Amino acid sequence: GAGVSQSPSNKVTEKGKDVELRCDPISGHTALYWYRQSLGQGLEFLIYFQGNSAPDKSGLPSDRFSAERTGGSVSTLTIQRTQQEDSAVYLCASSLGQYQPQHFGDGTRLSIL
Amino acid sequence: GNSVTQMEGPVTLSEEAFLTINCTYTATGYPSLFWYVQYPGEGLQLLLKATKADDKGSNKGFEATYRKETTSFHLEKGSVQVSDSAVYFCAGRSSNYKLTFGKGTLLTVNP
Repeated sequence: GAGVSQSPSNKVTEKGKDVELRCDPISGHTALYWYRQSLGQGLEFLIYFQGNSAPDKSGLPSDRFSAERTGGSVSTLTIQRTQQEDSAVYLCASSLGQYQPQHFGDGTRLSIL
Repeated sequence: GNSVTQMEGPVTLSEEAFLTINCTYTATGYPSLFWYVQYPGEGLQLLLKATKADDKGSNKGFEATYRKETTSFHLEKGSVQVSDSAVYFCAGRSSNYKLTFGKGTLLTVNP
């Protein structure tokens, strides 16, 4: 079946620009997560959505980062005024419920020039 | 807070060699433990898991046993193949939904 789909797979942009990263979770999965994978920090949790509950934004590194999930399905992670330290692979995952195994997409590789 | 410590790589083995990648987890309570694998150019894939003490997770010839007394979850495979070359991540999840990952171990298997 279809897995977690992320787009774009690669994004190169200039410092100061805004970027939007998209995640389509597995159909029927109520929980959605964003992680960031960078050379210096490894894999870090960013944000979590579960159904209609308020999201857990505790992992977002600054107020330039935001995310939304429309209709309990597709999610968009937005980074405003990008900085070079934002360069990383952004991974999205989904699960049937919050205690079920998380299934990851292939990620979006973001490069800030 | 929670933390995962896994063996640093890179690890280079010959085909059919025995593999061990160590992992320990520090947390309150008893977390669920996971191994994820990331093949070149791909995303993370769940390899195996264990949700309670003495559970053994297994998949594709890989095994890991949840040792309660040390909160360890070492990954083992008796005979590695070239196709096993990848980055392996140990991860834990306590009472909430957040996965805490180790730094990852790069495994290269040579023919």
